[in-house]
Amino acid sequence: NAGVIQTPRHKVTGKGQEATLWCEPISGHSAVFWYRQTIVQGLEFLTYFRNQAPIDDSGMPKERFSAQMPNQSHSTLKIQSTQPQDSAVYLCASSESSYEQYFGPGTRLTVL
Amino acid sequence: GDSVTQTEGLVTLTEGLPVMLNCTYQTIYSNPFLFWYVQHLNESPRLLLKSFTDNKRTEHQGFHATLHKSSSSFHLQKSSAQLSDSALYYCALTGTGGYKVVFGSGTRLLVSP
Repeated sequence: NAGVIQTPRHKVTGKGQEATLWCEPISGHSAVFWYRQTIVQGLEFLTYFRNQAPIDDSGMPKERFSAQMPNQSHSTLKIQSTQPQDSAVYLCASSESSYEQYFGPGTRLTVL
Repeated sequence: GDSVTQTEGLVTLTEGLPVMLNCTYQTIYSNPFLFWYVQHLNESPRLLLKSFTDNKRTEHQGFHATLHKSSSSFHLQKSSAQLSDSALYYCALTGTGGYKVVFGSGTRLLVSP
């Protein structure tokens, strides 16, 4: 069991560029979550999927952020026109019926 | 909506002293699951312990917590702090049958020699 896989581990973009972050959940887990973590804001919920269907995106900034889960083996978080305030560690987690969330190593996004 | 409150942003302790990190919650669920996650420097959060049984002590890796529904609390304790306990600790909850987890703001524990 490789755990939750996130790629890339680090990404640097220029202001206004697009960033796509990838997450591969643990095989057999039915729920996938995206979080953003900064020192100031802590751990912020963004969105989650269950059985590939979007369930709750209440934490997603509406205009530039989008997430998809085209199949059970991966999910993507896309940020269009990145801004410096988007700089953060983006964490993906997966979960099965035990409710315990297993976090990936995160993607550190730096927007210059 | 559901919420989790961790009143201390930073707790500093000397090695060997007892640890207590506070966690209270509000929820519409009558049978919530409560969790403590720990995040060491340059690592991701991982589950430390969990509970859904009222007034039952849960233990793991020297830490323990008891869910008290009467006071909506789930405080984390340890009898003697170790240097390796220095980390960020998140209290969290989820409702029965649901997957979404609500996290508190986190408490950073710093243990010094």
